[in-house]
Amino acid sequence: DVKVTQSSRYLVKRTGEKVFLECVQDMDHENMFWYRQDPGLGLRLIYFSYDVKMKEKGDIPEGYSVSREKKERFSLILESASTNQTSMYLCASSYYLGNQPQHFGDGTRLSIL
Amino acid sequence: SQQGEEDPQALSIQEGENATMNCSYKTSINNLQWYRQNSGRGLVHLILIRSNEREKHSGRLRVTLDTSKKSSSLLITASRAADTASYFCATELSGDNSGGSNYKLTFGKGTLLTVNP
Repeated sequence: DVKVTQSSRYLVKRTGEKVFLECVQDMDHENMFWYRQDPGLGLRLIYFSYDVKMKEKGDIPEGYSVSREKKERFSLILESASTNQTSMYLCASSYYLGNQPQHFGDGTRLSIL
Repeated sequence: SQQGEEDPQALSIQEGENATMNCSYKTSINNLQWYRQNSGRGLVHLILIRSNEREKHSGRLRVTLDTSKKSSSLLITASRAADTASYFCATELSGDNSGGSNYKLTFGKGTLLTVNP
């Protein structure tokens, strides 16, 4: 079974801090994704990566950046955390793009105080 | 409004009953996928149905797709308390997805299913 592991289940940070969320997958998947999930808004794509060092902006990339130095690891970076970035963050991976399911981690619930 | 929208937003049934959730979308798709999310957890993939398929089954799950009406339904038969979760449809837009910039999977806001013992 595919395992997608997010480094923290819960995280509390302060406004203005630089925040790193880490995600690791163990199935040699080409593609990795970062979403945020908010009540009433559903899942929204922040960024995805279709190869090492390759990335594409999603629907809401502002205030975020990503890093994919190795195939198995995809990091989401909040450059200067703000309270409106308090959310549930979900990482996912897939083998191909197109006609493939995505496999999700358990999420990181991030609170920015 | 979103590409994929589930209906109803919430559904409460008794154990043993069937649960039906619907998803409507607006543009042509390559496939439609259904996911389940237990409270506080990540999403789990249930079924992927391609645009040239009309029906798929997996255990107690049955998914239909009507591309002429741009709609899909997820039926859970003989529901159990453990089926209590949010269910999301996700649509993958048509086109060549071999290039990263052309790929898009859009999730709806979900249906919250409660199965009462």
